[in-house]
Amino acid sequence: DQQVKQNSPSLSVQEGRISILNCDYTNSMFDYFLWYKKYPAEGPTFLISISSIKDKNEDGRFTVFLNKSAKHLSLHIVPSQPGDSAVYFCAAQASTGTASKLTFGTGTRLQVTL
Amino acid sequence: NAGVTQTPKFRVLKTGQSMTLLCAQDMNHEYMYWYRQDPGMGLRLIHYSVGEGTTAKGEVPDGYNVSRLKKQNFLLGLESAAPSQTSVYFCASSPLTLAKNIQYFGAGTRLSVL
Repeated sequence: DQQVKQNSPSLSVQEGRISILNCDYTNSMFDYFLWYKKYPAEGPTFLISISSIKDKNEDGRFTVFLNKSAKHLSLHIVPSQPGDSAVYFCAAQASTGTASKLTFGTGTRLQVTL
Repeated sequence: NAGVTQTPKFRVLKTGQSMTLLCAQDMNHEYMYWYRQDPGMGLRLIHYSVGEGTTAKGEVPDGYNVSRLKKQNFLLGLESAAPSQTSVYFCASSPLTLAKNIQYFGAGTRLSVL
């Protein structure tokens, strides 16, 4: 039962254009969402997050949008740069409970071409 | 600033052998986690710890044991390795918070079981 889904395994975008990575979730208890970026042979690194009380969070070239009614979030990268080529994981947290665990999606491989 | 350090980086085992993966963090984080990453599966939680001396099962705990004898270390053990445990293992840590759980990852251990 995949509670966090990234339905696009890969995405190719030209340098300078917008990259849009999508993520869907099924668990209505999730109230905090994160995006991680992973380069080959490295661990995932935190990129940006959003709380369920917001519908948008922006950090430089990266913006995350949350549509709670649709249980959908997206990561926008504008403009895309070759260094953005990596695997992007969406993750979700339900803040109730004794420990804060993250549920990860399967990842989307972004390739930014020249 | 080391962050989260995993040793070893690579290991090849024969079926039935045992080994221990070590994770060390220098950020004084309360929570620590062990994940495995398999192609097309994203990151799946094996075990986690909410503090020194405590551990709990995650999504895929079978075949693994863990110990958290010191706050900064989290050990993952395989008592009798199986080919199905061939994977990339990631350790992560996060500060004591029920909300906004930003986890910090190590670089991973690539394990092959023949």
